[in-house]
Amino acid sequence: EAGVAQSPRYKIIEKRQSVAFWCNPISGHATLYWYQQILGQGPKLLIQFQNNGVVDDSQLPKDRFSAERLKGVDSTLKIQPAKLEDSAVYLCASSLEPGAVAFFGPGTRLTVL
Amino acid sequence: QQQVKQSPQSLIVQKGGISIINCAYENTAFDYFPWYQQFPGKGPALLIAIRPDVSEKKEGRFTISFNKSAKQFSLHIMDSQPGDSATYFCAASGNTGFQKLVFGTGTRLLVSP
Repeated sequence: EAGVAQSPRYKIIEKRQSVAFWCNPISGHATLYWYQQILGQGPKLLIQFQNNGVVDDSQLPKDRFSAERLKGVDSTLKIQPAKLEDSAVYLCASSLEPGAVAFFGPGTRLTVL
Repeated sequence: QQQVKQSPQSLIVQKGGISIINCAYENTAFDYFPWYQQFPGKGPALLIAIRPDVSEKKEGRFTISFNKSAKQFSLHIMDSQPGDSATYFCAASGNTGFQKLVFGTGTRLLVSP
């Protein structure tokens, strides 16, 4: 079974630029998560999708972050404009349903200069 | 109330020794407590999980001990091996809503040969 795929793996941008990350969850997984993991900290949930609908985005900085999951499969997370404090690893995870085991992708390491 | 507190931040154990990582929570609605293992450059991977109806769960060299009254749970790694060197995260989720997974801050374990 293929795991969660993410791209790119690494991205370096200047502050105030925009960036987008892509995630392809495990086939058949209805629930998709985007987490932000700052160096030395645990992952923090940014947004949770159930199929193509958002069920939790309470910790997403909506003035600069946006995410979508068209057709309930792939998802894109965008940051515009980026700030220095956005430097982190962005992890995508998926599960069959809310509360089921979440499988994580390898993450995208973002560096904002 | 949504926090999960994890300690220690880092841990050095000799090969063959026992590694113990502790977590505490406050939200009594949490009813699922997984532990994730993360190697550098990889996403977290589920190691072992427990629900509050049991006080202990063992899988190979890994054991979760759960104390519902104290709202604490811990991971024990018996016969620790250099290959166990990684960052370990405890997490918790509730049984209501969309069961958001909340992570601890992580413990960096180094098993010396």
